[in-house]
Amino acid sequence: GNSVTQMEGPVTLSEEAFLTINCTYTATGYPSLFWYVQYPGEGLQLLLKATKADDKGSNKGFEATYRKETTSFHLEKGSVQVSDSAVYFCALSASYNTDKLIFGTGTRLQVFP
Amino acid sequence: DAGVIQSPRHEVTEMGQEVTLRCKPISGHNSLFWYRQTMMRGLELLIYFNNNVPIDDSGMPEDRFSAKMPNASFSTLKIQPSEPRDSAVYFCASSLRQGAADTEAFFGQGTRLTVV
Repeated sequence: GNSVTQMEGPVTLSEEAFLTINCTYTATGYPSLFWYVQYPGEGLQLLLKATKADDKGSNKGFEATYRKETTSFHLEKGSVQVSDSAVYFCALSASYNTDKLIFGTGTRLQVFP
Repeated sequence: DAGVIQSPRHEVTEMGQEVTLRCKPISGHNSLFWYRQTMMRGLELLIYFNNNVPIDDSGMPEDRFSAKMPNASFSTLKIQPSEPRDSAVYFCASSLRQGAADTEAFFGQGTRLTVV
């Protein structure tokens, strides 16, 4: 079946550090891939997405590239800020069926000044 | 648009009581999802509707859980009877599915349920 695996957190960084959060997936066909972010006390918000191999999604300084050969969609940011502290979820949507999203377990990011 | 609206934001109830969670999706959206979030199990899809019809309810834990979508602007998730292990944050999300599978899901702020 379809699934998403994320690195466990928490990830703790100092402000301006480089961020990588790993995400790999298992899916049949050609899924669409997403990163969602959840700030404290709020619901999830779409951060970025990519719909086909080699696509790069980007938003607010975050980037992720759809790598079919490694079945990965790692999230990166060159310089994190305290305001980036949140929980980040990798997700996929199977291309052949529905818009049902399958989420990873989430990775908590804590950025300190 | 106000986004996905869930009510109540917080609910504390005694074991055995019936609990009803409510969701108003974004106007015009045709897919609606109910998720449950816990520390132990993360974010789980319970059920989702397309055009008010339940498409996949394989994530519903057991018969104590039921969900309805009587029209395009309202859905409920009911737990009867509730148990302490049902304590979680329940999210509703909606999206506009137009044939492609890369549509964005918009989430409500969630209902934090505590069963004592």
